[in-house]
Amino acid sequence: ETGVTQSPTHLIKTRGQQVTLRCSSQSGHNTVSWYQQALGQGPQFIFQYYREEENGRGNFPPRFSGLQFPNYSSELNVNALELDDSALYLCASSPGGTAHNSPLHFGNGTRLTVT
Amino acid sequence: TQLLEQSPQFLSIQEGENLTVYCNSSSVFSSLQWYRQEPGEGPVLLVTVVTGGEVKKLKRLTFQFGDARKDSSLHITAAQTGDTGLYLCAGAQSNYQLIWGAGTKLIIKP
Repeated sequence: ETGVTQSPTHLIKTRGQQVTLRCSSQSGHNTVSWYQQALGQGPQFIFQYYREEENGRGNFPPRFSGLQFPNYSSELNVNALELDDSALYLCASSPGGTAHNSPLHFGNGTRLTVT
Repeated sequence: TQLLEQSPQFLSIQEGENLTVYCNSSSVFSSLQWYRQEPGEGPVLLVTVVTGGEVKKLKRLTFQFGDARKDSSLHITAAQTGDTGLYLCAGAQSNYQLIWGAGTKLIIKP
């Protein structure tokens, strides 16, 4: 089975620019979650997509938006980049169900640096 | 505000020693997951504990969920260099969201 893949692996952007990060979910998984992990911290939940609809969102501003496609792959878009957006962005897929019984399978992340 | 506190934040010990790391909260979780993350990689699930007081073993790793489902511990026996990594706990509170701790960075020296 194919695991979760993310692209690009590294990215450098300038403050004010926009960025799109991509994620292919693991085969058979219909739910994708996005996380932001700052250096030395645990992951912070951004949002989750299930069957192309956002079905949960963490404490992130509207300039963080996403999409899920019919093949369950997903994009994370961030507009008007700020220096504090520099972080590792992790995508995780799961086979559906609740957080209680649906363990996450993570990709290796995209390291975003905003200068 | 971190709802899940992990301690210690950093631990460096010699190969062969035993260690315990902790994950504490004032909140109740329906389940709690432990992950290990290595540099340049995403977290990998180790175990999920569900029932208060539950103990699960994974080779030399022993995971326990507190009776009140507010805390958990991970004990490693005879640590090996391959155990090095960031250990993260994550609690399930709502249907879709996990609450994460900041992790314990573990270094096992040969």
